[in-house]
Amino acid sequence: DAGVIQSPRHEVTEMGQEVTLRCKPISGHNSLFWYRQTMMRGLELLIYFNNNVPIDDSGMPEDRFSAKMPNASFSTLKIQPSEPRDSAVYFCASSLGQGINGYTFGSGTRLTVV
Amino acid sequence: AQSVTQLDSQVPVFEEAPVELRCNYSSSVSVYLFWYVQYPNQGLQLLLKYLSGSTLVKGINGFEAEFNKSQTSFHLRKPSVHISDTAEYFCAVSEMNDYKLSFGAGTTVTVRA
Repeated sequence: DAGVIQSPRHEVTEMGQEVTLRCKPISGHNSLFWYRQTMMRGLELLIYFNNNVPIDDSGMPEDRFSAKMPNASFSTLKIQPSEPRDSAVYFCASSLGQGINGYTFGSGTRLTVV
Repeated sequence: AQSVTQLDSQVPVFEEAPVELRCNYSSSVSVYLFWYVQYPNQGLQLLLKYLSGSTLVKGINGFEAEFNKSQTSFHLRKPSVHISDTAEYFCAVSEMNDYKLSFGAGTTVTVRA
């Protein structure tokens, strides 16, 4: 398996623009997580999907953030409009079941909003 | 809710020396414990995990960790480090029957020749 695949690896955008981050989980994994990593706040869970259904989005910072999982092999995280404080590395991770075996992380998307 | 404290933010160490990274957790129920490693510009990779059974857990790259329930700790050790072990290390905890994995703030290990 190719692992969790995220795209793009790097994104630089201007404040106010829409940004879409993409994730392809490992085939067969039924749980998907979006995390944000910053120096100040460390790793923060943004949203959790189970069987393509959003279960917990309490970590989504504002209404500017939205996430979808239209099928078992694809998820998006959208920021509209983007702001400089959204600059961070965004990770997608997947697992089978409750994550007893741990999560498998993608390589992340480094977002810079200028 | 569970939480994780990594007691050292930075650990400098010489090559071939031993290293210990400290992790304490807080939870009112039984937990699963994990250590992840993040190399520069990469995602997190699972080093090892404790689910149940033997309290000494061996992982990849020569790392091991010991679960101590009375002290609510899960410290990570390696008897002899290499330059390639330079990375950030994260301790994480998940309560049984819960999906959520809570991470510590991370410990940066810098191995010098």
